[in-house]
Amino acid sequence: EDKVVQSPLSLVVHEGDTVTLNCSYEVTNFRSLLWYKQEKKAPTFLFMLTSSGIEKKSGRLSSILDKKELFSILNITATQTGDSAVYLCAVEAGSNYQLIWGAGTKLIIKP
Amino acid sequence: DGGITQSPKYLFRKEGQNVTLSCEQNLNHDAMYWYRQDPGQGLRLIYYSQIVNDFQKGDIAEGYSVSREKKESFPLTVTSAQKNPTAFYLCASSIWDGSPGTQYFGPGTRLLVL
Repeated sequence: EDKVVQSPLSLVVHEGDTVTLNCSYEVTNFRSLLWYKQEKKAPTFLFMLTSSGIEKKSGRLSSILDKKELFSILNITATQTGDSAVYLCAVEAGSNYQLIWGAGTKLIIKP
Repeated sequence: DGGITQSPKYLFRKEGQNVTLSCEQNLNHDAMYWYRQDPGQGLRLIYYSQIVNDFQKGDIAEGYSVSREKKESFPLTVTSAQKNPTAFYLCASSIWDGSPGTQYFGPGTRLLVL
């Protein structure tokens, strides 16, 4: 059965810290891995990763994929209270390439 | 402004009642999706549609029904057969080039059972 596992489930850090969120997967027919940020309502798209070893970067956020070890990490440097959210990882896979979602990591940034 | 809208924001269902959640998009996306989100769990796919007048069951379709009569609209009906409907429902859309790719989400509808 295809599955996506995120860790940790929750994380509390202080403003200015750097955090690393993990997403591992076991799927058939992998196509891509996506990261989303969900604050209160709609998840918003962060990154799509398809190739190993190529870092995607947007401001203080960056992400990389390892297709050999079947995981991705999302890094956030110099965290701010506005980074507090649930970060969702999804993998596009399977015979019909639907998205398989992880349970999310709840990140809380304390001032 | 382009985007996805969902209504209502909150919905209350009585025992044995069918309720319909609205989802509209003006992004000209071919594909639309309905997900259910429960606390501590990932999003679970209920139904999806790649084209007008066609839709497929997702992982948890039992107790739900959909229609896709227009490209812009993909309403979800939660029927009385769904015994545990309390959840946060998210609608999404994407282009379709053989796979869903990046999905754009609406603000969600929270369904509560009275």
